[in-house]
Amino acid sequence: GAVVSQHPSRVICKSGTSVKIECRSLDFQATTMFWYRQFPKQSLMLMATSNEGSKATYEQGVEKDKFLINHASLTLSTLTVTSAHPEDSSFYICSALPAGTDIQYFGAGTRLSVL
Amino acid sequence: QKEVEQNSGPLSVPEGAIASLNCTYSDRGSQSFFWYRQYSGKSPELIMSIYSNGDKEDGRFTAQLNKASQYVSLLIRDSQPSDSATYLCAVSYTSGTYKYIFGTGTRLKVLA
Repeated sequence: GAVVSQHPSRVICKSGTSVKIECRSLDFQATTMFWYRQFPKQSLMLMATSNEGSKATYEQGVEKDKFLINHASLTLSTLTVTSAHPEDSSFYICSALPAGTDIQYFGAGTRLSVL
Repeated sequence: QKEVEQNSGPLSVPEGAIASLNCTYSDRGSQSFFWYRQYSGKSPELIMSIYSNGDKEDGRFTAQLNKASQYVSLLIRDSQPSDSATYLCAVSYTSGTYKYIFGTGTRLKVLA
């Protein structure tokens, strides 16, 4: 099956620092990747759609200057949380869409804790 | 506003019973429907996809789709304690870009 690798799995950082999260499709090419955020006991909320070689499409209410997304290749997308604050603490999950399908495969997620 | 609704539960069933999970959606134009399972602290994993009206079976799982009623369900036969998780219904739609809308999930507890 399609495998999506996400790193790091957990990160603890100080307020004001930036954190980069990587999402890689290991055995397929993904022209589209998605970034979600999930708060405790809530469902997944789509933050942005990342397309290879173009700017990400952000959902309403998501600050594009705070959550920087780069999709430089068909197998790698990165999310950088800039100037992180405690309210950014959450579970961030990426997913990838293999070309020619409509099924999203998820990475293992990154638990971000901002002190 | 596209919506996907699920009963949050918890839905408790005894081991060996059939668990029935339901989902309704608002967009009549939706074409693809998915069930994901999410264990606590983990990311979602795909259980099934369904695209046509009727039933689709895969092992102990059966997905049912009724587009006229805008309703999709998941049946889990012979429920096991290891099935205890949150089940997320996802509906795809295209509005400029392709995306999923997730329901809030139903928490299932299978009692040993």
